[in-house]
Amino acid sequence: DVKVTQSSRYLVKRTGEKVFLECVQDMDHENMFWYRQDPGLGLRLIYFSYDVKMKEKGDIPEGYSVSREKKERFSLILESASTNQTSMYLCASSTKLLRGNQPQHFGDGTRLSIL
Amino acid sequence: GDSVTQMEGPVTLSEEAFLTINCTYTATGYPSLFWYVQYPGEGLQLLLKATKADDKGSNKGFEATYRKETTSFHLEKGSVQVSDSAVYFCAQGTPYTGRRALTFGSGTRLQVQP
Repeated sequence: DVKVTQSSRYLVKRTGEKVFLECVQDMDHENMFWYRQDPGLGLRLIYFSYDVKMKEKGDIPEGYSVSREKKERFSLILESASTNQTSMYLCASSTKLLRGNQPQHFGDGTRLSIL
Repeated sequence: GDSVTQMEGPVTLSEEAFLTINCTYTATGYPSLFWYVQYPGEGLQLLLKATKADDKGSNKGFEATYRKETTSFHLEKGSVQVSDSAVYFCAQGTPYTGRRALTFGSGTRLQVQP
């Protein structure tokens, strides 16, 4: 089975801090994704990466950046955390075969609170 | 742009009732379609999928049929259990735009009472 591991289940940070969320997958997937999940809004794509050092903006990239130095690891960075970034963050991965039609495999999520 | 529309929840049912959660999609062509389930405090798990028109995906007693004529992929289960209480997400792939991410609906919360 595909395993996507997010480094923290719960995280509490303060406004203005730089925050790192880490995600690792063990299936050699080319694609990795970061979403945030908020009540009533479903999943919204922040960034995704289709290869090492490659990234593309999703639907809500403002206030975030990402890093993919190794194929198995994809990091989400909140440059200067704000209270409106309090949310559940979900990482996912997928193979590049049949681009756009592959299922995504999700981690358990990180519930981030910004005080 | 492409979108997925799900019925709003919560859906509250008694144990052993029949379940339908409606889902319609807008992608052109023949996108793959998915249902995901999210149990409390967990990430999303793939429940079932279908890749072409008239395909039926099934898993754990849940079924959904890819209906091209109505652009729908409704989730059904004949007899729900308390353990099925979760949030269900419908999603579509978008192969013709080059977008690699799936497009998700807003989710439907199911509550099953004993």
